[in-house]
Amino acid sequence: GAGVSQSPRYKVAKRGQDVALRCDPISGHVSLFWYQQALGQGPEFLTYFQNEAQLDKSGLPSDRFFAERPEGSVSTLKIQRTQQEDSAVYLCASSPVGVDYGYTFGSGTRLTVV
Amino acid sequence: QKEVEQNSGPLSVPEGAIASLNCTYSDRGSQSFFWYRQYSGKSPELIMFIYSNGDKEDGRFTAQLNKASQYVSLLIRDSQPSDSATYLCAVNMNSGGYQKVTFGTGTKLQVIP
Repeated sequence: GAGVSQSPRYKVAKRGQDVALRCDPISGHVSLFWYQQALGQGPEFLTYFQNEAQLDKSGLPSDRFFAERPEGSVSTLKIQRTQQEDSAVYLCASSPVGVDYGYTFGSGTRLTVV
Repeated sequence: QKEVEQNSGPLSVPEGAIASLNCTYSDRGSQSFFWYRQYSGKSPELIMFIYSNGDKEDGRFTAQLNKASQYVSLLIRDSQPSDSATYLCAVNMNSGGYQKVTFGTGTKLQVIP
């Protein structure tokens, strides 16, 4: 595709509900990243994929967060039993080789937990 | 100490002036440095990257890097109201054998017409 596509754009979840956020990277981009951006803050790293391999998940805040990219293209970030502190914008980014050329971000998913 | 530090601002400059945005980083081994622009309610957009000490110019934008001082800056010449946004400094840090980009909290720039 022409850019990184994320869906849904907005998600309201009741506390305790499970959510799934989708990222469709630029075609051919090997690297895929998930970031979390709270209001007024910079993006915080969550996890990194190279093709289908999850090489770094050190930024996932708890075991309620899970990400996958089974075929090396589309990725899903799943949050189980959502809590209010999970409210943030979740950004997906992709790049063709490593990160030396910088990322292309998707438009993000704004998650609000009520 | 935060890994990437920026003054949150807001930094207010009059239209036509030079805006100077600064960033320091903690990892001396960092190799790549980026500036992203983020408009309110939008996702970050890459505007500059720099790898080597010195200046890199692209149109009205100049990125400056001083690895000895662990300092990166972004100059915006002839600032326009459309430049009003949050500018995120990002640093590519060595992390377990692959490169991981860490962002600062951003500096909000306001260009006054």
